[in-house]
This record gives sequence, C-alpha cells and structure tokens, in this order.
Amino acid sequence: EIVLTQSPATLSLSPGERATLSCRASQSVSSYLAWYQQKSGQAPRLLIYDASNRATGIPARFSGSGSGTDFTLTISSLESEDFAVYYCQQSSNWPLTFGGGTKVEIK
Amino acid sequence: EVQLLESGGGLVQPGGSLRLSCAASGFTFTSYAMTWVRQAPGKGLDWVAGISGSGGTTLYADSVKGRFTVSRDKSKNTLYLQMDSLRVEDTAIYYCAKYTYGDDVMKGFDIWGQGTAVTVSS
Repeated sequence: EIVLTQSPATLSLSPGERATLSCRASQSVSSYLAWYQQKSGQAPRLLIYDASNRATGIPARFSGSGSGTDFTLTISSLESEDFAVYYCQQSSNWPLTFGGGTKVEIK
Repeated sequence: EVQLLESGGGLVQPGGSLRLSCAASGFTFTSYAMTWVRQAPGKGLDWVAGISGSGGTTLYADSVKGRFTVSRDKSKNTLYLQMDSLRVEDTAIYYCAKYTYGDDVMKGFDIWGQGTAVTVSS
C-alpha cells in the first residue's frame, strides 16, 4: 500500500498570503495524484487531478505540481473560503490511498 | 444538475448488516465508475470500494474485503454498498463519489454525495 504523508499538519496563514502544502508518497505514483478540499461538515471537493490539472470550476489561484513522490498544492492568495482541510490522493496503485490532510487555518 | 444522494445509514450492533444506497441524477450513470469513501469521526478519508460503469469490475480495500459488497442498478441509477459483519471500526460517514472521466480512476472523483452516517455500537 502506498502511504501518502502530508505536511505540515496545520498551516496558520492570513487572507492574501500564499499557502504551500506538501504531499510525499512512499513510492512513485507518477503523476496520478489528486487534491481535495473539505470544509467542516461538507463532502470533499476535487481541486486538482493528474498532479497539475485543475478540475472544472476551480479558481486559478489553486495550482498543483510535482511527479513521482513529491507533490505540492499552492494557493497563491488565500481567500476566506479557502480555510479548510486539504487531502491528497493517489490512484497509481490499488488500494487507492489518501494522505492524512493539512488544515489551513486563519492566523 | 449532477447529484448524488446517499441514504441507508444508521445505528447497528457489531456483527450486524446495513445497506447503503446512492441515487444518481444528472448524468449517464452507466458511463461512469463509482466509488465509496468513508471518514471516521475526526479522521481523514479512507477508500472503501469501487465499481466500473458496467458493474463488471469491483475492487475493495483489504479492511472490508469479504464483508462489504458494492453493486449498481442501472434501471434505478443507484449505487449500493451492502455491509455485513460490521465492526465498531466501520463507524464513519460514508460518501459515494463519481469518477471524473468514465472508468478512469486516474482523474479522481469529481462529484460527491453529502454522506450518510453509520454507527456500529452495542
């Protein structure tokens, strides 16, 4: 099973700041990595697939990069609605696995 | 509007059974693989099972293999998760989700239901 490790666990930032979230895989997942946003009490929302492709309707301030074992989700300028938990997920190998999440909170 | 609506959650004793349903609307149901993902209270996301658009291929997490069965009914546009021999550790919110593109698992899951809560407790 591929283990995804997300860091940091919590990111405390102010609106307008840049957020950089990391996801590291225990073995190569090529570019088969997705990112999701989950707000409290809501279902996850797909942000990025194939490591760098924005899903339909996702604002341009969200971007993804990386391949192999190291991936990054960047939010260029945080808006109030971006404070949430973010998960990475690999689809290179079965079983599909998710990272433990990074909480982006208001500083 | 593309929508998924889960139902069937509830309180069940250890060793009991429950069947979850996920009613799909707004898209061609048979053209997309579907999946179940769960989230234990205060925890992260955990993939449970998946099924191809035709229903001919199913896959399971080791933690539920042999106890859970995923299926789909094209006449009702509904996805199911039959859960048997339930354990306390199966307590979670269960989400159904649609693959973004057909049967291609590589593109993630673009539509999610609101979730249904399952509690396994004596």
